[in-house]
Amino acid sequence: EAGVAQSPRYKIIEKRQSVAFWCNPISGHATLYWYQQILGQGPKLLIQFQNNGVVDDSQLPKDRFSAERLKGVDSTLKIQPAKLEDSAVYLCASSLIPTSGRAGDEQFFGPGTRLTVL
Amino acid sequence: RKEVEQDPGPFNVPEGATVAFNCTYSNSASQSFFWYRQDCRKEPKLLMSVYSSGNEDGRFTAQLNRASQYISLLIRDSKLSDSATYLCVVNEASGGSYIPTFGRGTSLIVHP
Repeated sequence: EAGVAQSPRYKIIEKRQSVAFWCNPISGHATLYWYQQILGQGPKLLIQFQNNGVVDDSQLPKDRFSAERLKGVDSTLKIQPAKLEDSAVYLCASSLIPTSGRAGDEQFFGPGTRLTVL
Repeated sequence: RKEVEQDPGPFNVPEGATVAFNCTYSNSASQSFFWYRQDCRKEPKLLMSVYSSGNEDGRFTAQLNRASQYISLLIRDSKLSDSATYLCVVNEASGGSYIPTFGRGTSLIVHP
């Protein structure tokens, strides 16, 4: 079974430029997550989709970050304009919709995109 | 957002040692709990789910204490290959879905 795919793997940009990341989840996984992981910290949830609807985006800096999941499959995360503090690894994960009686399900992560903002 | 707290460590232990990590959470309505493992410059991977009755998988034992709002992970007979960061994850119910919150992770270094 193919895993979660992400691209690009690495990106270096200057501040105030724009950048976009792409994620393709595991086939059949309805829930898709975008995380930001700064060095030495745990992943921080930016946005969670279930199919093509947003479940939670309370920690997404909406003045500069946007995300979409058209057709409920792959997703893009965009930063415009980037700031120095956006330097981090951006992780995409997917999971099945929790089945009855199960509160949450295993998340499968992609390899991440390492963003450096100069 | 509710907090999930972990001691960042590092925990530096010899091979064969037993080591335990704790993770506390602030939302008493949290629904489910997990431990993930993250190797250096890699993505997190599920180590084990944590059930109310506690659960064991080989050298690893996870326990949940809802009254005190913490979960624990015990690793027995540590191996060099156990060196990694261990992330605690707490899921909160929200509108029919479950929203995960990660702790910052606890770093484990197992030395010969």
